[in-house]
Amino acid sequence: RKEVEQDPGPFNVPEGATVAFNCTYSNSASQSFFWYRQDCRKEPKLLMSVYSSGNEDGRFTAQLNRASQYISLLIRDSKLSDSATYLCVVNPSTGFQKLVFGTGTRLLVSP
Amino acid sequence: DTAVSQTPKYLVTQMGNDKSIKCEQNLGHDTMYWYKQDSKKFLKIMFSYNNKELIINETVPNRFSPKSPDKAHLNLHINSLELGDSAVYFCASSQAPPMTGALSYEQYFGPGTRLTVT
Repeated sequence: RKEVEQDPGPFNVPEGATVAFNCTYSNSASQSFFWYRQDCRKEPKLLMSVYSSGNEDGRFTAQLNRASQYISLLIRDSKLSDSATYLCVVNPSTGFQKLVFGTGTRLLVSP
Repeated sequence: DTAVSQTPKYLVTQMGNDKSIKCEQNLGHDTMYWYKQDSKKFLKIMFSYNNKELIINETVPNRFSPKSPDKAHLNLHINSLELGDSAVYFCASSQAPPMTGALSYEQYFGPGTRLTVT
């Protein structure tokens, strides 16, 4: 079983739609969780951290369910510029920052 | 002002050659990393250095040798290149994590080096 699993997509949605991505992780001792965004042929960039209580940043909402080992990202009112690959990222250890990346979910927002 | 820079951006070389990729960060971070992203877009950590000291080595073939002359630089030297080494290599940096506790800091990635071995 992969340490971090995501549906690769692509998710094709029209502008203005709401879309949700899910991610599961295998290590129940994992401590830190993130969503990174990667545009085509670019480097990954942090989109948001994921906190146990859930957190929101503008149109983006992240949720963590430790019992189910599940992370989600909700994007409301999708924009064309949201088209990218969204990487679910987990730090399975304390101390050193060994981030484990999912393979990403590709989002395509069309006019 | 580039935070994490890598050179070269593209590298095309033949099997058996030796090549190096350089990475520099101007963020004042203590920790630097090398990642490999393969053709299936899977991003996997290779090495991590904290204050010039190797702290993570993810069972990478010993043809790959990282070198950190100072905490702002982490270079990657690859000997005897193989076809399977073709990938995009990303350098990244972050603040040093606390030795205990769960907090992780954001990692800042360089633009990547696209290595093609023919």
